[in-house]
Amino acid sequence: GDSVTQMEGPVTLSEEAFLTINCTYTATGYPSLFWYVQYPGEGLQLLLKATKADDKGSNKGFEATYRKETTSFHLEKGSVQVSDSAVYFCALSEDNQGGKLIFGQGTELSVKP
Amino acid sequence: GAVVSQHPSWVICKSGTSVKIECRSLDFQATTMFWYRQFPKQSLMLMATSNEGSKATYEQGVEKDKFLINHASLTLSTLTVTSAHPEDSSFYICSAPTRTGGFLDEQFFGPGTRLTVL
Repeated sequence: GDSVTQMEGPVTLSEEAFLTINCTYTATGYPSLFWYVQYPGEGLQLLLKATKADDKGSNKGFEATYRKETTSFHLEKGSVQVSDSAVYFCALSEDNQGGKLIFGQGTELSVKP
Repeated sequence: GAVVSQHPSWVICKSGTSVKIECRSLDFQATTMFWYRQFPKQSLMLMATSNEGSKATYEQGVEKDKFLINHASLTLSTLTVTSAHPEDSSFYICSAPTRTGGFLDEQFFGPGTRLTVL
């Protein structure tokens, strides 16, 4: 079945450091790919998405490119802030009508001032 | 963006009792909602798809008699954990998608409900 694998956390960075969180997937079809963020005490929020190969999703300085050849969707940000501290989830959906999401295990990011 | 609420935000109950969790889409209608379970430091596991006007679709390994789902209206789905036991203690999250022309726009997630069974 479909699955998503993320790098394990927690990841601890200093403010203004470069961030990469790796995400790879397995899928039978051509899924849409997502990054969600969960801030402490809050619900998941969509951070960015890409619906086809070579698409780049971007939002709030974060970006990720849908790489079909490597089945990857790595999240990057050039300069993290303390306010970026959260848990980040990579996810895929095979079904753009149903909306069922398969999540990776989540990566906790802690940014120190 | 659209808002999804859950009630209660946390609940403590005794073993053997039943607990109902509500999920509401506040400013949009959702014919489908999803229920997830999240263990500490772990991913969200899809439990079931709640369908307005028909039976819920459960994922493999999820006991449908234990986790009763009712999609009462286009803005409300409920999850009832029946005869709860300590191993049911978890964080339960619902989501609802907005759609355009039948196709998914975006999933919106509720803030979650922390269930503790003593």
